[in-house]
Amino acid sequence: RKEVEQDPGPFNVPEGATVAFNCTYSNSASQSFFWYRQDCRKEPKLLMSVYSSGNEDGRFTAQLNRASQYISLLIRDSKLSDSATYLCVVNNNDYKLSFGAGTTVTVRA
Amino acid sequence: DAGVIQSPRHEVTEMGQEVTLRCKPISGHNSLFWYRQTMMRGLELLIYFNNNVPIDDSGMPEDRFSAKMPNASFSTLKIQPSEPRDSAVYFCASSLRLGYEQYFGPGTRLTVT
Repeated sequence: RKEVEQDPGPFNVPEGATVAFNCTYSNSASQSFFWYRQDCRKEPKLLMSVYSSGNEDGRFTAQLNRASQYISLLIRDSKLSDSATYLCVVNNNDYKLSFGAGTTVTVRA
Repeated sequence: DAGVIQSPRHEVTEMGQEVTLRCKPISGHNSLFWYRQTMMRGLELLIYFNNNVPIDDSGMPEDRFSAKMPNASFSTLKIQPSEPRDSAVYFCASSLRLGYEQYFGPGTRLTVT
């Protein structure tokens, strides 16, 4: 089983819609979690950190469910500029970040 | 604020040549990571340093790969000799401390012909 698993998508949504997707992780001892976004041919960029049960930053909301070992990301009022690949990242106790393969989101006009 | 700086941004070389990738982490960050990304394998951690000391190099694919961090503001990843299957984007990332958020450089796109 992979350490971090994501639905690859793609999620194709119209502008203004809400899109949400999950990520599951295998290590129950994982302590911290992050969402990164990666645009085509660019580096991953930190979107938000998730240290407790969840986090909200503007149109983006991340929720953590430790019992079921998943993290979700919800994007409200999606913009064309939200089109990207979203990487779920889990910090295990060995301090190495485990990256999911990414979920592709495409927002259309 | 200067982010992580990597050079070169693009490198095209012939099989068998030595390749050296360079990274300058964010000032004040104690941890540095080297990753490789390909379409087939995604993002792979190669090696990471804490306070300039290599902590885990289990991701380094072969002895042809080596990495150094002679001081807190500079690291190199060397491939000698290079092979076509080494073609990938190599990212350097740094974090304030181990386990904290990592910030990535723009990457070096390596093509070995």
